Amino acid sequence: EPEVTQTPSHQVTQMGQEVILRCVPISNHLYFYWYRQILGQKVEFLVSFYNNEISEKSEIFDDQFSVERPDGSNFTLKIRSTKLEDSAMYFCASTWDSTDTQYFGPGTRLTVL
Amino acid sequence: AQSVTQPDIHITVSEGASLELRCNYSYGATPYLFWYVQSPGQGLQLLLKYFSGDTLVQGIKGFEAEFKRSQSSFNLRKPSVHWSDAAEYFCAVGGNTDKLIFGTGTRLQVFP
Repeated sequence: EPEVTQTPSHQVTQMGQEVILRCVPISNHLYFYWYRQILGQKVEFLVSFYNNEISEKSEIFDDQFSVERPDGSNFTLKIRSTKLEDSAMYFCASTWDSTDTQYFGPGTRLTVL
Repeated sequence: AQSVTQPDIHITVSEGASLELRCNYSYGATPYLFWYVQSPGQGLQLLLKYFSGDTLVQGIKGFEAEFKRSQSSFNLRKPSVHWSDAAEYFCAVGGNTDKLIFGTGTRLQVFP
């Protein structure tokens, strides 16, 4: 069964450093998402992406964040200058249709020191 | 405002007992409703979803949920819980925009 994959599973970085989180969505999906979950809190929407552009973003997704689909398979989330409060689990999700089920990857745990 | 409320932060049941996890939502348009399960250190796995039609939906692992529009609820049920059901359960709502809004989750603990 096709699944969403994410790398790395765990990333440790120093405050102020740039990080790139990578996702490979399910191959025939067209809509892509990033969510995050701070430890012990609920899952929060960050951004949705369709047709090579952002379709919606949350207040969390400020100028420090960017997303890209550099080729036909990868979907990346970049944080330019990480802060302590960026420490969280980041989930990628994808779907065929914007109103259909979103399939989630296993997540990348980001730890900012 | 769009929101999802899961009033039970933590529930403990004995193996074999029945289970009901509560979910209430506030959403301006026709909601699409989901239950996801997250095991420790794992991602989110879809248990079931409601888009339209029959308000009682069946999911994987023997779970079911009932959509009650009048109560703005989408409670998750299982008649007999197994020890492997211990996990965190998230209710989520989507609809006229494609982002999902999640509840704060309910942690289920199962005693033998």
